[in-house]
Amino acid sequence: DIQMTQSPSTLSASVGDRVTITCRASQSINTYLAWFQQKLGKTPKPVIYLISTLESGVPSRFSGSGSGTEFTLTISSLQPDDFATYYCQQYEDHPTFGQGTKVEIK
Amino acid sequence: EVQLVESGGDLVQPGGSLRLSCAASGFTLNDHVMDWVRQAAGKGLEWVGRTKNKDSNYATQYAASVNGRFTVSRDDSKNLMYLQMNGLKSEDTAMYYCVSWLSGRCFWGQGTLVTVSP
Repeated sequence: DIQMTQSPSTLSASVGDRVTITCRASQSINTYLAWFQQKLGKTPKPVIYLISTLESGVPSRFSGSGSGTEFTLTISSLQPDDFATYYCQQYEDHPTFGQGTKVEIK
Repeated sequence: EVQLVESGGDLVQPGGSLRLSCAASGFTLNDHVMDWVRQAAGKGLEWVGRTKNKDSNYATQYAASVNGRFTVSRDDSKNLMYLQMNGLKSEDTAMYYCVSWLSGRCFWGQGTLVTVSP
């Protein structure tokens, strides 16, 4: 199975900061890469799909990029509502998730 | 509106069985790839199993941790997906989510809680 490694595990940032989370795959994957936001006790919320397509209703400060084995989720200007845990997932076949990145208040 | 509603979660003893259901509305199930994903308390997300769509002959796939114990199935005529869980272990305790995929996008249900304990 494809392993997905996220970094960092925890990220301390302030409102207004530019934040980048990286996800590395153990082998090259196609376009089936998604990012999810999860708040405590809530269902994961899709943020990005197909590497860079913004889910409906998600603010434009979120963006996704990458190819091959390295992918990033960027929040251009962190807002109070963005403090949460983020997961990447490859979902073409035998899906796998990254271990998560907790974005916390600095 | 796309909606997924899971049910069937319960407290069950180790070695026991349970069947979860996922009821879909707002779309035709047979076009969608459907997954079960779980999350133990305080832990990350873990993919459990998949049933592919009609075009892929509804092929199923499983995570190594549940292969041989869990079975994913679907009844498109009723817009339902199931997860039959046998030989349950304490490490299967988690919130179980139903996820549907179409054209690269996904939709999640709210989850159903499975607790495996004596």
